[in-house]
Amino acid sequence: EAEVAQSPRYKITEKSQAVAFWCDPISGHATLYWYRQILGQGPELLVQFQDESVVDDSQLPKDRFSAERLKGVDSTLKIQPAELGDSAMYLCASSPQIGSGEQFFGPGTRLTVL
Amino acid sequence: DQQVKQNSPSLSVQEGRISILNCDYTNSMFDYFLWYKKYPAEGPTFLISISSIKDKNEDGRFTVFLNKSAKHLSLHIVPSQPGDSAVYFCAAINAGKSTFGDGTTLTVKP
Repeated sequence: EAEVAQSPRYKITEKSQAVAFWCDPISGHATLYWYRQILGQGPELLVQFQDESVVDDSQLPKDRFSAERLKGVDSTLKIQPAELGDSAMYLCASSPQIGSGEQFFGPGTRLTVL
Repeated sequence: DQQVKQNSPSLSVQEGRISILNCDYTNSMFDYFLWYKKYPAEGPTFLISISSIKDKNEDGRFTVFLNKSAKHLSLHIVPSQPGDSAVYFCAAINAGKSTFGDGTTLTVKP
């Protein structure tokens, strides 16, 4: 069964360092999402891609976060510099098209900033 | 302003009984609603959905009810099984964007 892959699964870093997360969506899925989930809360959308184009990054802290999906397949989310408040689970999801309803989530990357 | 709310952080039920998880929303533009289930150390997985033009959708032991006038949806699990123990998120979609509630942790006791 096709799955969304994410790496690393866990990342511990010190504040002010740079971190990067990678996501490989299900093959053929045009839409890719990055979410941040703080413990005890639901996933919050950071950025949404349709193929290689950003369609929504209104909640992405652009002074320190960046995301790219250069060839419209896999994607990278970067934080530079990391802050203590960035500690969270970062989830990647994909869907066949925007508005297709169900999203398929990867296992997430648990980030701890010390 | 939280547009999707799950007011019960946790719910505990006995195996074989009904579990009812609730979700309220404020944005009348939401046109599609979903429930996801999440086990520890895994990403959420899709469970069941309902379009805003319907008031009920059933899939095996799982039924979702939508009351548009009350802006309320609920997930019924009958009968509940220990393997159903997980965090359940409701999500609402408007213009292709999903908004999630904070989740309800369901514990089904044997």
